[in-house]
Amino acid sequence: QKEVEQDPGPLSVPEGAIVSLNCTYSNSAFQYFMWYRQYSRKGPELLMYTYSSGNKEDGRFTAQVDKSSKYISLFIRDSQPSDSATYLCAMSEDFAGNQFYFGTGTSLTVIP
Amino acid sequence: EPEVTQTPSHQVTQMGQEVILRCVPISNHLYFYWYRQILGQKVEFLVSFYNNEISEKSEIFDDQFSVERPDGSNFTLKIRSTKLEDSAMYFCASSEWSGVTDTQYFGPGTRLTVL
Repeated sequence: QKEVEQDPGPLSVPEGAIVSLNCTYSNSAFQYFMWYRQYSRKGPELLMYTYSSGNKEDGRFTAQVDKSSKYISLFIRDSQPSDSATYLCAMSEDFAGNQFYFGTGTSLTVIP
Repeated sequence: EPEVTQTPSHQVTQMGQEVILRCVPISNHLYFYWYRQILGQKVEFLVSFYNNEISEKSEIFDDQFSVERPDGSNFTLKIRSTKLEDSAMYFCASSEWSGVTDTQYFGPGTRLTVL
């Protein structure tokens, strides 16, 4: 059951570029959307979360949710080599204790 | 900053053996989770736990798996008779339900290798 789809990449960009990462989903009950960053052989690290539709900005990162299209995005401005990692989208229905559904992750390399 | 910790970082076991993976969630969190990630694949939900009982579990979480909160700080995942296909990274997570959002924080993972 393919709840969440994410292009695995790999994506390679020069330092300073704007990066766009995307996920699509099929379950209209999803209300809570997250982006995690995962370095090799490490646990996912929460970057941002949004509830329902709209945009959220945190420093160089902007998360967008379009529930009508079942599409979410993460933008990274002025990308840095330290941003090189795998980015996972995750989503869930809006109550506590509910499982998160993850995308496959997009591997990003920012070249100095 | 509080964090979820997991032990051991790497566990090697023989097929058919029992393993216990340990986690210490963030201290004021009330919800606990186990996920696994087979190499190169998605992070997959196994189970969630609240108020000393399972809240939700996936199809993966069959009778070979069990979870326990043996004391006020630890949260464990037991696999009774390991199979080769249980080889994966196992992540523990915890969250504090705010009434609006449920942000899960993940530990560094335990790499389980079944030989």
